[in-house]
Amino acid sequence: AQSVTQLGSHVSVSEGALVLLRCNYSSSVPPYLFWYVQYPNQGLQLLLKYTTGATLVKGINGFEAEFKKSETSFHLTKPSAHMSDAAEYFCAVSKEYGNKLVFGAGTILRVKS
Amino acid sequence: GAGVSQTPSNKVTEKGKYVELRCDPISGHTALYWYRQSLGQGPEFLIYFQGTGAADDSGLPNDRFFAVRPEGSVSTLKIQRTERGDSAVYLCASSQGQGGRNEQFFGPGTRLTVL
Repeated sequence: AQSVTQLGSHVSVSEGALVLLRCNYSSSVPPYLFWYVQYPNQGLQLLLKYTTGATLVKGINGFEAEFKKSETSFHLTKPSAHMSDAAEYFCAVSKEYGNKLVFGAGTILRVKS
Repeated sequence: GAGVSQTPSNKVTEKGKYVELRCDPISGHTALYWYRQSLGQGPEFLIYFQGTGAADDSGLPNDRFFAVRPEGSVSTLKIQRTERGDSAVYLCASSQGQGGRNEQFFGPGTRLTVL
């Protein structure tokens, strides 16, 4: 069975500081990996995804993530936090032949001015 | 273009009642998914449709939960004899096709409260 672990239910950074949100997964097959963002009272929005190919994936709003198979990780980073980045972030994994997404518990990002 | 829409946005019901939650996927999307998000947790998979048929219903918690998609577009999630533990946000998503790499587009959810 697949599973996702997000380390840190809450992360607080200062505006302009590096954002690092951690995600580790377990999967018996090569995974497809996703990061979604959820703003208050809004639906989930895809930030970026890894399917095959380049392991460093760039997404919207300046975010990127690197797939590290040896570490079973897919951490999300952004060089400089903006106040508008404050939201909840979810890491998710999926199989090729399956379609359901398995989500982590989420990390709430707070950006301090 | 229009995204995934869900109605109602909020539903309050009493324990033991029956509820229906509706999802309108993006036009042309053949795959449709239902997830449930409880407070403080990530979404949990309930059921997946490819066309009109349920391809994977392994996430439905018990036989009180049922979903249909009779014409391969709109889907309805039905919950019988609701319990307080059913209170959650029910999310619907759609994608163009099957396969784990296809992006799922999510609706805003229906917040169900069972009193």
